[in-house]
Amino acid sequence: DQQVKQNSPSLSVQEGRISILNCDYTNSMFDYFLWYKKYPAEGPTFLISISSIKDKNEDGRFTVFLNKSAKHLSLHIVPSQPGDSAVYFCAASFRDDMRFGAGTRLTVKP
Amino acid sequence: DAGVTQSPTHLIKTRGQQVTLRCSPKSGHDTVSWYQQALGQGPQFIFQYYEEEERQRGNFPDRFSGHQFPNYSSELNVNALLLGDSALYLCASSLAYEQFFGPGTRLTVL
Repeated sequence: DQQVKQNSPSLSVQEGRISILNCDYTNSMFDYFLWYKKYPAEGPTFLISISSIKDKNEDGRFTVFLNKSAKHLSLHIVPSQPGDSAVYFCAASFRDDMRFGAGTRLTVKP
Repeated sequence: DAGVTQSPTHLIKTRGQQVTLRCSPKSGHDTVSWYQQALGQGPQFIFQYYEEEERQRGNFPDRFSGHQFPNYSSELNVNALLLGDSALYLCASSLAYEQFFGPGTRLTVL
């Protein structure tokens, strides 16, 4: 039952360039979407979120885009920094039900 | 504020044994959720506790049970351990949509 999918297990970008992480979901009931970042030996850390009533939310270098008709969201990181290297999880929720994608490992090369 | 804390950090058990994992939520948070993260996968929702009651449950067998105490801390119990229960167990506390994760407990079942 994979209601949230991150089809790219890994992504490598050059420092200073844009990182684009993608996420697809199947359940149209989801009304809130989040991105988490996870470093080794730590729990996931909240990064940015977006409500289904919006199509874009920006916080510094991080922007999340939501395309409800395509059931797709993406996280843009501009400019990418080596410290952004981590596993990024997409999550979608409806009321108390939150589902996570399998994660994308981002590597930002100096 | 110590954030979400979990104990123990690591645990090794054998098949058939029982295990109890503990979680203290972030100060002011009244809701605790438990997740299982297998290698290479995203966190899978086990259950959520609010006001000392299980409010929602994911697709996990009854071997997985929990408890929430009046101080909002929580325990996850797993009976009759299987090899497939080996995973990182994450606890998250929340007030609304945003969940704050602990560092997790790494359970290895031999």
